[in-house]
Amino acid sequence: EAGVAQSPRYKIIEKRQSVAFWCNPISGHATLYWYQQILGQGPKLLIQFQNNGVVDDSQLPKDRFSAERLKGVDSTLKIQPAKLEDSAVYLCASSKQGFNYGYTFGSGTRLTVV
Amino acid sequence: KNEVEQSPQNLTAQEGEFITINCSYSVGISALHWLQQHPGGGIVSLFMLSSGKKKHGRLIATINIQEKHSSLHITASHPRDSAVYICAVRWNTDKLIFGTGTRLQVFP
Repeated sequence: EAGVAQSPRYKIIEKRQSVAFWCNPISGHATLYWYQQILGQGPKLLIQFQNNGVVDDSQLPKDRFSAERLKGVDSTLKIQPAKLEDSAVYLCASSKQGFNYGYTFGSGTRLTVV
Repeated sequence: KNEVEQSPQNLTAQEGEFITINCSYSVGISALHWLQQHPGGGIVSLFMLSSGKKKHGRLIATINIQEKHSSLHITASHPRDSAVYICAVRWNTDKLIFGTGTRLQVFP
C-alpha cells in the first residue's frame, strides 16, 4: 500500500510570503490531519477533515492559515502571510474512520521562514 | 500539566543495551500509539495498543489501563534505533494527543 505523500519536502521562504503544502492520503482513508511540529515539541493538530468536511480546526490560526480537502482526497494547507514562528515541520496523516484504526503519517514538509 | 507525559526526555545508550521509555496519561483512553520520528521529520507508527502487550522484532510495547501507563522497550539496541519516540493517546474522538517525545541516541 502506498504511504501518505507530501510535498514539497523542504521549503524556505521569507516572512510575509505565502506557501502551500500538499498531501495525498492513503486511498480509502476518510480522515486526514494536518499537524504542526515546532522543533523540540510534539505535533500539534491544526485541522482534521472527515472526507471533505472540517471536523476540528480549533487550533488553526485562521487569520493566516487555510486548508481545504476538495473531493475528500488530496488536501492543501496554505500560509499567507508567513511569520518567523511558522518555521516547523508540517505533517499530514490519514486514517480510516473510527477508533480502532491507526494513523499513517507522511514524511512531512520542513518549512523555514527567514 | 501535559495530558501525556513521557520519560525520560533524553536517553543515551550503548549498543546492545535494553531500553525502556515510559508514557503516562491522565484520563481513560481508547487507544495509545507509539511513534518513531527520525531527524528528517517523518513519523512511523510502531504500535497501536488498547490493552496488554505487542511485540514486533526487537520492539515491545505494553500498556496498563488501570495505571494509565505504557512502556516501549527496545531489546539489543542498535545505533539505527536512534530517533525520537513519541507516545500519543486517543480518547473517544479521532484526535491524537501527543507527548513531547523521548530522544534516544544509541552509540556503537
